Amino acid sequence: AQSVTQPDIHITVSEGASLELRCNYSYGATPYLFWYVQSPGQGLQLLLKYFSGDTLVQGIKGFEAEFKRSQSSFNLRKPSVHWSDAAEYFCAVGAANRDDKIIFGKGTRLHILP
Amino acid sequence: EPEVTQTPSHQVTQMGQEVILRCVPISNHLYFYWYRQILGQKVEFLVSFYNNEISEKSEIFDDQFSVERPDGSNFTLKIRSTKLEDSAMYFCASTDRGSDYGYTFGSGTRLTVV
Repeated sequence: AQSVTQPDIHITVSEGASLELRCNYSYGATPYLFWYVQSPGQGLQLLLKYFSGDTLVQGIKGFEAEFKRSQSSFNLRKPSVHWSDAAEYFCAVGAANRDDKIIFGKGTRLHILP
Repeated sequence: EPEVTQTPSHQVTQMGQEVILRCVPISNHLYFYWYRQILGQKVEFLVSFYNNEISEKSEIFDDQFSVERPDGSNFTLKIRSTKLEDSAMYFCASTDRGSDYGYTFGSGTRLTVV
């Protein structure tokens, strides 16, 4: 069965510092991987997704993620965070059937220090 | 950019009442989904829908829940007799099987059962 682990419930970084949010997945076949961001009381916005090809994926708002099959990881990075990046971040995995459900991790809440 | 539209944005209902949450998926999408997020928790899959029938449902999606596509544009989630524990944010999503695979989520309906 698919599963997603986000080991960090909360992360705090200073504005301007670099960021890495961890995500590990469990899936038997080639996974489809996503990162979503959610501001308080808001919906889910897709940051980036990986299906195949280049394992370094660029997304919106300056985020990128790297798929590492050997580590079953899909970590999200940003070189310099802004105060507006404070939000909840969800990693998710989808099955090979592109119409299948996607499974979310429990999320990582990012706090930004001024 | 195409959007998934959900109405209402917030609904308050009394325990035991029926509620219908409405969604307008992206027009050329064929696969539709409902997800639920209890406050402070992760996003959970409820049900997927394709070709006018349920493709898959989770254990959460019991007999109190039903989905329908009453016309060519709307996709609804009905909760027959609401319970306090049904209080959550409900997200609708749609996707297609094209190369630009990636769920598009609506902004959600916050359901409060009192």
